[in-house]
Amino acid sequence: GAGVSQSPSNKVTEKGKDVELRCDPISGHTALYWYRQSLGQGLEFLIYFQGNSAPDKSGLPSDRFSAERTGGSVSTLTIQRTQQEDSAVYLCASSQAHRGEYNEQFFGPGTRLTVL
Amino acid sequence: AQSVTQPDIHITVSEGASLELRCNYSYGATPYLFWYVQSPGQGLQLLLKYFSGDTLVQGIKGFEAEFKRSQSSFNLRKPSVHWSDAAEYFCAVGAVGRDDKIIFGKGTRLHILP
Repeated sequence: GAGVSQSPSNKVTEKGKDVELRCDPISGHTALYWYRQSLGQGLEFLIYFQGNSAPDKSGLPSDRFSAERTGGSVSTLTIQRTQQEDSAVYLCASSQAHRGEYNEQFFGPGTRLTVL
Repeated sequence: AQSVTQPDIHITVSEGASLELRCNYSYGATPYLFWYVQSPGQGLQLLLKYFSGDTLVQGIKGFEAEFKRSQSSFNLRKPSVHWSDAAEYFCAVGAVGRDDKIIFGKGTRLHILP
């Protein structure tokens, strides 16, 4: 595709419900990142996928958060039993990272999650 | 692991004035360094990046940044700001030679006075 796409663009859910956020990276990009952006908190790293390597999950805030990347392309971030503090914009980015070299991260428009 | 600090949460400058946004990083080796801008209602856009070579890096929209290893800094500068530069600016650091994640600072929000 032309860029990174994310769906839905907005999601309103009730506390305790599960949500799934989707990211379609740029075709051919091997690296995929999830970030959370809360007001005044900058971009909080959540999880990083690179090729076939085990994902770096060190940023996931609790075991209610999980993510997978199928076939090295589309990624889904799942939040179980949502809490009000999960309300934020969730950003996905991809890059054509090669070993020993970083390329530009391309960001999607984000999914704004509101937990009531 | 790498980390990055942007000490200024908000910066206000007058239109036409010069700008410097601070960024300090922590990493045991030479890092990859980035500046991104997020305009209101827009996604993040890369302004410039440093991998190696010349420590003064030119970016888009008239921005530049200088890598200073001795100070662990990568400050963003612009000689004359425009009202359209009002946005949030993020510094980011990655690890050289490793398939490692990129870490962002908390951002600096730039306000422009007419």
